[in-house]
Amino acid sequence: NAGVTQTPKFQVLKTGQSMTLQCAQDMNHNSMYWYRQDPGMGLRLIYYSASEGTTDKGEVPNGYNVSRLNKREFSLRLESAAPSQTSVYFCASSAVETQYFGPGTRLLVL
Amino acid sequence: AQSVTQLDSHVSVSEGTPVLLRCNYSSSYSPSLFWYVQHPNKGLQLLLKYTSAATLVKGINGFEAEFKKSETSFHLTKPSAHMSDAAEYFCVVSAYNQGGKLIFGQGTELSVKP
Repeated sequence: NAGVTQTPKFQVLKTGQSMTLQCAQDMNHNSMYWYRQDPGMGLRLIYYSASEGTTDKGEVPNGYNVSRLNKREFSLRLESAAPSQTSVYFCASSAVETQYFGPGTRLLVL
Repeated sequence: AQSVTQLDSHVSVSEGTPVLLRCNYSSSYSPSLFWYVQHPNKGLQLLLKYTSAATLVKGINGFEAEFKKSETSFHLTKPSAHMSDAAEYFCVVSAYNQGGKLIFGQGTELSVKP
């Protein structure tokens, strides 16, 4: 039981490049979330998916898109990366209220 | 709307002394509250959660927190700090009726001196 997994662990992009962050969970949870973590700001919700086939914007959705591919997988896409998107990205899943987090993806946009 | 405020951005203690990390919350409803811990370069791990049962909640690794409605507080404590407790701690409130969304405090970095 791996819990929540994220790939890649680390990525460097140039401004304007695109990439997709992958997240998968094996706990049969309905809800999945994408957060970004920046120093002194805690975690901020980018997008979430309450169930397979649905997605909703969180606090900071601009510049991102998501896909809930199936119940297990929830991907985050940066279409045209900007330096302001340099951050650590966490995926999480939950069944009721408790969220379980992946190990994170460190993204550096030059 | 719900919110949380962690009153200290950084706390430093000596090994073997008590730990107190302070959190105040704001909620129009009876909230669910959590403490998560993040060790360096790791993901977040649930320490404990309060969901309107007992007001004193025990978590992992000897941590506990007390829900005080009159003070709108949910402070995290541990009687004796260990070097392995050095990490960042987040106080979190569940957003009411919003599909399990969480609202995070800014975090408190705990340092433990030998």
